[in-house]
Amino acid sequence: DTGVSQNPRHKITKRGQNVTFRCDPISEHNRLYWYRQTLGQGPEFLTYFQNEAQLEKSRLLSDRFSAERPKGSFSTLEIQRTEQGDSAMYLCASSQGARANIQYFGAGTRLSVL
Amino acid sequence: GENVEQHPSTLSVQEGDSAVIKCTYSDSASNYFPWYKQELGKRPQLIIDIRSNVGEKKDQRIAVTLNKTAKHFSLHITETQPEDSAVYFCAAFGSSNTGKLIFGQGTTLQVKP
Repeated sequence: DTGVSQNPRHKITKRGQNVTFRCDPISEHNRLYWYRQTLGQGPEFLTYFQNEAQLEKSRLLSDRFSAERPKGSFSTLEIQRTEQGDSAMYLCASSQGARANIQYFGAGTRLSVL
Repeated sequence: GENVEQHPSTLSVQEGDSAVIKCTYSDSASNYFPWYKQELGKRPQLIIDIRSNVGEKKDQRIAVTLNKTAKHFSLHITETQPEDSAVYFCAAFGSSNTGKLIFGQGTTLQVKP
């Protein structure tokens, strides 16, 4: 499968625990995006990487959230001290090159915080 | 701020009829408008997109129109089929140069056989 890959697909955790998600973009895509999608809503932008540099973060990304893309390939999104309001689908997308290029999405990681 | 409004939130049509979904955007600098289809439990998939230098684009049964002056764009699906049933999202580029997408709230399309 040469598409965007996300792991795990599902994560159930207790409130207060830390969780980490991984995204493997399409090979050679230099841009990587994280979005959050709650039930019945469209995806909301969280953060963006160009290669290894994190260039933009949404106000939605509180200080409990951190994202990395250390080698400019895969990315991780960590949520510390999870809260029930963090329950959502976390989507990753990647694209290549200029601003107007197509974003390809992964299937997402569904987080449930009990 | 950046915003995309999408209507209707739900749409039910008979198989073979046409379906139209409309979106408006707030950022006049937006120049790229994709439409994604998302089936239950699956990834959003791009079905068609349009750039601001054209007013209409068609791909088989799907077409998108763009009115830059009014800042709205629409998705048209003709000869609908049951497999068209899904949630459809419109989106527009945000005001920064990162290419982040601002999504509408989604339209749940049901095509009745």
